Parts: sequence; C-alpha cells; structure tokens
Amino acid sequence: DQQVKQNSPSLSVQEGRISILNCDYTNSMFDYFLWYKKYPAEGPTFLISISSIKDKNEDGRFTVFLNKSAKHLSLHIVPSQPGDSAVYFCGGLIYSGAGSYQLTFGKGTKLSVIP
Amino acid sequence: EAQVTQNPRYLITVTGKKLTVTCSQNMNHEYMSWYRQDPGLGLRQIYYSMNVEVTDKGDVPEGYKVSRKEKRNFPLILESPSPNQTSLYFCASSFGGTYGYTFGSGTRLTVV
Repeated sequence: DQQVKQNSPSLSVQEGRISILNCDYTNSMFDYFLWYKKYPAEGPTFLISISSIKDKNEDGRFTVFLNKSAKHLSLHIVPSQPGDSAVYFCGGLIYSGAGSYQLTFGKGTKLSVIP
Repeated sequence: EAQVTQNPRYLITVTGKKLTVTCSQNMNHEYMSWYRQDPGLGLRQIYYSMNVEVTDKGDVPEGYKVSRKEKRNFPLILESPSPNQTSLYFCASSFGGTYGYTFGSGTRLTVV
C-alpha cells in the first residue's frame, strides 16, 4: 500500500509561471514531509520540508503547503526557471522509535520548465 | 566536503555472481539507508540502519543483505543477483530525526 502518492508523473510549465506539484498521503502518523529534487545521473537533493503541525513553509521561490484534513501537500515554485526541470519526490517522515524516523517516498513527478 | 560516496557508479554483472556496492559517509551520520529507483515506482527503501550493528528491513529487502560494522560504511550485498535487481541504487544518510537526508550519486546495476 503506497502511503505517499504523487499522481502526476509529469508536468510542463512555461518559464516564469508557477509550478504546482501535488502529493497525497494516507498515513496520518507522518510527522514531517520533505521534498527532494533529482537531476538525471545525480542523487536526490533535499529541497524543503514542513512539519505536520504547520500549514506552510517558504524558502525563496519554493513554498510547501500542507492541508492535513485533506491529507494533501503541494510544492509551489514561483517563478519557475529552466533549471528547475527535474524529478521531484515527495516524502513522508514517520517516527520509527529510538529517536529515528523512516522516510517513505512517492513515485515522483517530472517537471519540465519550458523557456 | 560533506558527502555520501557510492561505488561503483556503474556495474554490469551476471546472474548469480555475488556483488557488493559500497557506501561511505563522512558526516558522522547515525542513520543510513539504501533505496532503489525504478521507472514508475519511484524510490523504494531496501534496508536501513539506525546505528552501528543495528539494521532493519525496508519495503523491498528480498535478495539483499546489509551490514553496519562501522558508522561511516553501509555496504549493500547481493548474494545471488537476478535480472529483476537491475535498477538504480541510492545510499542515503542522515543525523536521524527530522533532518534532511544526503544521498549518494547512485549506482546503476545491470544483471544479465
């Protein structure tokens, strides 16, 4: 059973416009959510996170919104730039005991920003 | 430079020939993990380790082994590789808790 779902495999956006990447989850026990960006031939890199007790976190052009009642989060990129073209993974962190957390990823969304 | 180093980057092997993919981190992270990335399936966790000598299964552990004898190293072992283990593998480490994870650059494994 997939606990973190990214239902859009791909998204195309014009440069300068807003990119909105969506993520749904089924496990209400997630404590944090993280977004990672992945370029081809590279490992994923951490982008932004949000605590489950918050509804918004902002970092420069990147903002993540969390709607707990809908079990939905979204990553907004404004303005989108060609360098943002990558695969974006949404991940949920859940406490696994002894001070550690488990990270579960969605399948990823490939964002293409068109110049 | 703080990093997670995986070796090799690319590997082609034959069915049944034991192999090890090494992973090393220089950040004194306690938590290390292995993921595989497959088209349409995203990143799936194979094994993780919360500290030295402590390992546990992730979502897809079948056909894999790991060990954590030292804090910095977390090798992934395929005792008898099969073609369905052809994939892109990533090692990741973290201080644990809610800190972001640092990923290695990946190992592309092909089993023929």
